[in-house]
Amino acid sequence: DAKTTQPNSMESNEEEPVHLPCNHSTISGTDYIHWYRQLPSQGPEYVIHGLTSNVNNRMASLAIAEDRKSSTLILHRATLRDAAVYYCILRAPFNAGGTSYGKLTFGQGTILTVHP
Amino acid sequence: KAGVTQTPRYLIKTRGQQVTLSCSPISGHRSVSWYQQTPGQGLQFLFEYFSETQRNKGNFPGRFSGRQFSNSRSEMNVSTLELGDSALYLCASSWDRGYEQYFGPGTRLTVT
Repeated sequence: DAKTTQPNSMESNEEEPVHLPCNHSTISGTDYIHWYRQLPSQGPEYVIHGLTSNVNNRMASLAIAEDRKSSTLILHRATLRDAAVYYCILRAPFNAGGTSYGKLTFGQGTILTVHP
Repeated sequence: KAGVTQTPRYLIKTRGQQVTLSCSPISGHRSVSWYQQTPGQGLQFLFEYFSETQRNKGNFPGRFSGRQFSNSRSEMNVSTLELGDSALYLCASSWDRGYEQYFGPGTRLTVT
């Protein structure tokens, strides 16, 4: 599986935007970029995913570099509830064949602390 | 829609015993994956089931096994428990293979 690199930790103030970076220089042309987060004492939670174009949903935005070697998860206005570990994960597409696409490979993630 | 449910939420077992954990996926989801989370190793993939068949397996010993039933519910079993098996066991379901996964709250297993 292609690997991702994320900062160990980041801090933000409440109601400010947060940009969480992820490097994935060995990404293949068909890998999707997925983000999950894990709030304290909970299971991971799907946040967003994308392939080439920037993506937005109610939780966050995903900005993908033109060469796809990096991406940034953007929380537009951080709240205390956004304090979590954020994981950037590469996934082969569903129709790519092989056996790996039912599996999420989690790295260490980025611990986001949000200050009131 | 109800989320992924896991039972029991907490479990204490003794070394050498075996344990069975249960997972009920979101209604309509056909794929179930299991993960182990420990402070030292983080989140590690155990296995994935789809249509009652194991489709993918992580790097865990044969003491770890699982199955999926026709209603997509899944169980995982750990035999001959070791102290190192103490962990949070997470189940995740998805509509189909490769789609976003929705996680349950986990079962906290403590082996003494």
